[in-house]
Amino acid sequence: DAKTTQPPSMDCAEGRAANLPCNHSTISGNEYVYWYRQIHSQGPQYIIHGLKNNETNEMASLIITEDRKSSTLILPHATLRDTAVYYCIVRGDNAGNMLTFGGGTRLMVKP
Amino acid sequence: DVKVTQSSRYLVKRTGEKVFLECVQDMDHENMFWYRQDPGLGLRLIYFSYDVKMKEKGDIPEGYSVSREKKERFSLILESASTNQTSMYLCATRTVKETQYFGPGTRLLVL
Repeated sequence: DAKTTQPPSMDCAEGRAANLPCNHSTISGNEYVYWYRQIHSQGPQYIIHGLKNNETNEMASLIITEDRKSSTLILPHATLRDTAVYYCIVRGDNAGNMLTFGGGTRLMVKP
Repeated sequence: DVKVTQSSRYLVKRTGEKVFLECVQDMDHENMFWYRQDPGLGLRLIYFSYDVKMKEKGDIPEGYSVSREKKERFSLILESASTNQTSMYLCATRTVKETQYFGPGTRLLVL
């Protein structure tokens, strides 16, 4: 799996958009970008994934640059409940069964 | 929505006890996984199963066994619990599109 780099922490005001960046400069053509989050003492929660087109679902939007070397997860209206560690993962279909989480970004949503 | 449930959120056991952790999913997924999560070590794969009665060792299977008698249920067994098995245990299930969904986790303390 390609290595990802994320800032260790970020703050966001409640109600504002949270933009979480991820660098994955060694991504290969068949690898997807996945985002998960983990709220304290709970299991990881799937958020969204994409290959090269931007994606949106009820939780978030995923913007992938044209060269695919970086992406941004956008929470359009952050709430206090969105305070969590957010993990960006890059993996392909033949990556086996391991899901490797790096350090992630600790997002603190403040009132 | 995919639902992955684990039998206990918190568990306290004594050294040498046999411990059963159960995971149930309601989405008819073939693939199920058991991970443990420890500070600074991220997620580590213990065992996984790709079909009923089928199981494969992950990266750290020592001291653990698993059982998959029904498609929706995947059990992790600690034959003789030890203090170094104190951890957060996470069950996950996977769709054909490689999206993993996690249960809420079981925090196990072995005294």
